[in-house]
Amino acid sequence: KQEVTQIPAALSVPEGENLVLNCSFTDSAIYNLQWFRQDPGKGLTSLLLIQSSQREQTSGRLNASLDKSSGRSTLYIAASQPGDSATYLCAVRTSGTYKYIFGTGTRLKVLA
Amino acid sequence: AAGVIQSPRHLIKEKRETATLKCYPIPRHDTVYWYQQGPGQDPQFLISFYEKMQSDKGSIPDRFSAQQFSDYHSELNMSSLELGDSALYFCASSLVGEQFFGPGTRLTVL
Repeated sequence: KQEVTQIPAALSVPEGENLVLNCSFTDSAIYNLQWFRQDPGKGLTSLLLIQSSQREQTSGRLNASLDKSSGRSTLYIAASQPGDSATYLCAVRTSGTYKYIFGTGTRLKVLA
Repeated sequence: AAGVIQSPRHLIKEKRETATLKCYPIPRHDTVYWYQQGPGQDPQFLISFYEKMQSDKGSIPDRFSAQQFSDYHSELNMSSLELGDSALYFCASSLVGEQFFGPGTRLTVL
């Protein structure tokens, strides 16, 4: 059974810092992994999707890497801004399934 | 660009009542997912449909059922509602992997 955990659970940093958020999964036979951000009481916004065959994906100040053998993905946020404050969630789809298991999220606060 | 549409956005029901949530996926997307998110929790997968056929099932109570129709919209039917069913219900659609989420339906059971 796939289990997904994220550390840290919460993070508070000054504006301008570079950040690394971690996502770990127990079953390395994944189809893909997706990172989302969620603002309080709102829906989920897709940030990056990494297919099983890929090692990393980049979009603007965001970079996500995938290491299947170690069961880990990291989301790197460069030059953080107060507008980046949100909860960041990773979701893993195991091969042979049509379901995503979400991590517990990292609640990020970027201070101006 | 078209997004996932969910209706209603807010719903208030009494215990033991029935609720129907609707989801309209992005055009040409072939997969629909339903999730339940309780307060302060991560989204929990309920059920998915690929090309109108149920493709996977998660921790969906027997009181809940869902289907996808010929026009690809999907409905989540919830019966005998309990206080613990109060949550945000999200629908997401995808084509070749990347999920796009709707704004959610906030269900409150009194």
